[in-house]
Amino acid sequence: GAGVSQTPSNKVTEKGKYVELRCDPISGHTALYWYRQSLGQGPEFLIYFQGTGAADDSGLPNDRFFAVRPEGSVSTLKIQRTERGDSAVYLCASSTTGISYNEQFFGPGTRLTVL
Amino acid sequence: GQQVMQIPQYQHVQEGEDFTTYCNSSTTLSNIQWYKQRPGGHPVFLIQLVKSGEVKKQKRLTFQFGEAKKNSSLHITATQTTDVGTYFCAGPQDSSYKLIFGSGTRLLVRP
Repeated sequence: GAGVSQTPSNKVTEKGKYVELRCDPISGHTALYWYRQSLGQGPEFLIYFQGTGAADDSGLPNDRFFAVRPEGSVSTLKIQRTERGDSAVYLCASSTTGISYNEQFFGPGTRLTVL
Repeated sequence: GQQVMQIPQYQHVQEGEDFTTYCNSSTTLSNIQWYKQRPGGHPVFLIQLVKSGEVKKQKRLTFQFGEAKKNSSLHITATQTTDVGTYFCAGPQDSSYKLIFGSGTRLLVRP
């Protein structure tokens, strides 16, 4: 079956602009995660959804970042007033349920560049 | 807060040589996961270790979870060019869904 998909694969924007990044998880996976990966670093947790609700958004850096998952499937990460420091690869992952013992399946990521 | 550290940061080996990366957590872990990320790719799950002292093998890869469940290692025997990539360990924060990733060990293999 299809894996996790993310669009766009690359996004270049100017400082101050608004961007949306989309994640389509594996069908049937109730848990969805967003991570941010900077060059030479491991993925850094941003937010976790169990179903439609954001169960844990403690990793979001500030209130410019927001994510939704209105129907419990596709999720959108939204970044307002982008800054150069937001440049990174944004990874989405999903798992069957949101417990620590479940393997997470990662998407290919969206590389965001803020000029 | 909880930290997961990996060493070395980078290793360059001749094809056929062995390779080991070490992972240390500041807290006891309920389990530890290992992921591999190829250059330009995304993390791909390799394995999960749950029990104290557990050892698991996947062909040339051997994974070990420490007795205190705070450290882990990945050993590759007789590396091949297909082993190139960055290897990450990850442990759940407070036994939750939230994975804390190490900074990874980047492996390069000279043919």
